[in-house]
Amino acid sequence: DAMVIQNPRYQVTQFGKPVTLSCSQTLNHNVMYWYQQKSSQAPKLLFHYYDKDFNNEADTPDNFQSRRPNTSFCFLDIRSPGLGDAAMYLCATSRDSRGLYGNQPQHFGDGTRLSIL
Amino acid sequence: AQSVTQPDIHITVSEGASLELRCNYSYGATPYLFWYVQSPGQGLQLLLKYFSGDTLVQGIKGFEAEFKRSQSSFNLRKPSVHWSDAAEYFCAVGDFQGGSEKLVFGKGTKLTVNP
Repeated sequence: DAMVIQNPRYQVTQFGKPVTLSCSQTLNHNVMYWYQQKSSQAPKLLFHYYDKDFNNEADTPDNFQSRRPNTSFCFLDIRSPGLGDAAMYLCATSRDSRGLYGNQPQHFGDGTRLSIL
Repeated sequence: AQSVTQPDIHITVSEGASLELRCNYSYGATPYLFWYVQSPGQGLQLLLKYFSGDTLVQGIKGFEAEFKRSQSSFNLRKPSVHWSDAAEYFCAVGDFQGGSEKLVFGKGTKLTVNP
């Protein structure tokens, strides 16, 4: 059973047209992450939520925003997609590591592949 | 800053042969290390993780990895590769900050399996 679900699997948008990618989870994890992965590259962390606390990476462009209305859902908004934003976008979740021994592994969805026309 | 190096961009092995994928890390404290596998068009699946204790870690799908602090390495191994193992493999180090770990990934090693 899928535990981190990303919709849609494939998204096509036009240059400059806002687009939203969604992620939901059934794991009840506190932490949700968004990664960008370009072809033949490692995933690059854009931002993450710890509960409702938003943590942006220093080099994430302002064009990328995120919302987390509740524990289960998290959205990635790209306000004005450019050709360079074409990539696979991966959502991941993890449990709360505070007070526990060791990092908690991240669980990934299957990703949304975004194409820009 | 923490970093992960996977020296081999692409490896080709024959089905049934043994496999070793290399991973070196740079991290100031005790590292939390992970190996993930990504099939084409899919997300990342956790193969195994090392936090502490036994330096030889067993994972899913018959994979294992050995943590060697003296070499700053965490190489992934499998004694006999199956065609379904063809995928991209990512080594990662966990950076614990404020209750949620961030993963720093290597650039990945693409595995091709010949029949």
